[in-house]
Amino acid sequence: ETGVTQSPTHLIKTRGQQVTLRCSSQSGHNTVSWYQQALGQGPQFIFQYYREEENGRGNFPPRFSGLQFPNYSSELNVNALELDDSALYLCASIRTGSTDTQYFGPGTRLTVL
Amino acid sequence: QQQVKQSPQSLIVQKGGISIINCAYENTAFDYFPWYQQFPGKGPALLIAIRPDVSEKKEGRFTISFNKSAKQFSLHIMDSQPGDSATYFCAASGNSGGYQKVTFGIGTKLQVIP
Repeated sequence: ETGVTQSPTHLIKTRGQQVTLRCSSQSGHNTVSWYQQALGQGPQFIFQYYREEENGRGNFPPRFSGLQFPNYSSELNVNALELDDSALYLCASIRTGSTDTQYFGPGTRLTVL
Repeated sequence: QQQVKQSPQSLIVQKGGISIINCAYENTAFDYFPWYQQFPGKGPALLIAIRPDVSEKKEGRFTISFNKSAKQFSLHIMDSQPGDSATYFCAASGNSGGYQKVTFGIGTKLQVIP
């Protein structure tokens, strides 16, 4: 177990709706990254937060946004959902003082109808 | 642009055999090359990783071979077992404007048959 939890496990939304996914990482892990993993693909980097500020972003539109909180939890928000947003969303935390090893949560499976 | 190319996409190996997965990268700024193992319904878990200053790293039955000049690296699973059946991702990371950006390959679905 990585100590990284995500909720909910599964979620079904309809096109145009908004969704919030949550992640809780270990104490001492003050960097969190979010990834989108489409079926049969590798994870694609969405963005990274360090000490509650976004410090890196992949090729995703602004309707993907996030928050990180002082208690090592974070959120991924997606507005105006599209069918192509259906995927497994993963968060990964990095231990303070380390820049490499990411610990992934089990993911949230989002289905957009 | 696919910065990390992984092959094959699927692999069937007999129990006890050697599983080999290959990856190639383009960005010479990458400085850390991890391999992840993912079981259905789970998030990826770090298996083994290497830095470009060494050509090989071995941990138990898992070995990474790294060729810096060719910009290629591979995972070898010796004595493959049915429990190794999973999807394997290679990845490459490097500093990108102040943060460590990780780029994943497409994944290889490994099936080890008894």
